Amino acid sequence: GDSVTQMEGPVTLSEEAFLTINCTYTATGYPSLFWYVQYPGEGLQLLLKATKADDKGSNKGFEATYRKETTSFHLEKGSVQVSDSAVYFCALKMGGANSKLTFGKGITLSVRP
Amino acid sequence: KAGVTQTPRYLIKTRGQQVTLSCSPISGHRSVSWYQQTPGQGLQFLFEYFSETQRNKGNFPGRFSGRQFSNSRSEMNVSTLELGDSALYLCASSLSLDTKAFFGQGTRLTVV
Repeated sequence: GDSVTQMEGPVTLSEEAFLTINCTYTATGYPSLFWYVQYPGEGLQLLLKATKADDKGSNKGFEATYRKETTSFHLEKGSVQVSDSAVYFCALKMGGANSKLTFGKGITLSVRP
Repeated sequence: KAGVTQTPRYLIKTRGQQVTLSCSPISGHRSVSWYQQTPGQGLQFLFEYFSETQRNKGNFPGRFSGRQFSNSRSEMNVSTLELGDSALYLCASSLSLDTKAFFGQGTRLTVV
């Protein structure tokens, strides 16, 4: 079945460091891809998305490009802030009339001042 | 505009009991999905409802069930609780199927 694999965590960075979180997927068709973020005690918030190959999603300084050839959707940010500390989930959704999201395991990011 | 509201926020139950969780979607949203989040298994899809009909179901035992009412509010029920059912249960609503999902803060269920 469809699946998402994220790099192992946790990740600890200093403020203003460069961030990369790897995400690869396996799917039978051409999914839409998402990054969600979960702050402590909160639900999930959509960070960015891409719906087709070569699309780049971006939001709040974060970017991810849909790479069909490598089945990847890596999340990047040029300069992280303490406020970016959270759990990040990569997810996919197949087309058609359904809302089901398939998530990766998530990775905890801690940014120290 | 109010977000997705889940009640209660926290719940402690004993093994063998049953529990009902509630989710009120954003006004105008007709699709509701449920997810279970645990440290070991991560986020797993339970089921989704649209216009009071279950449209999709994940790989959970029959002890997990749900329903959606005419006002789009949804409930999920877990019967004969097991320790392994301890989790954060998240609800997401969207305008329709295949549109952006908005998540609630979740209900933290602890089974003792």
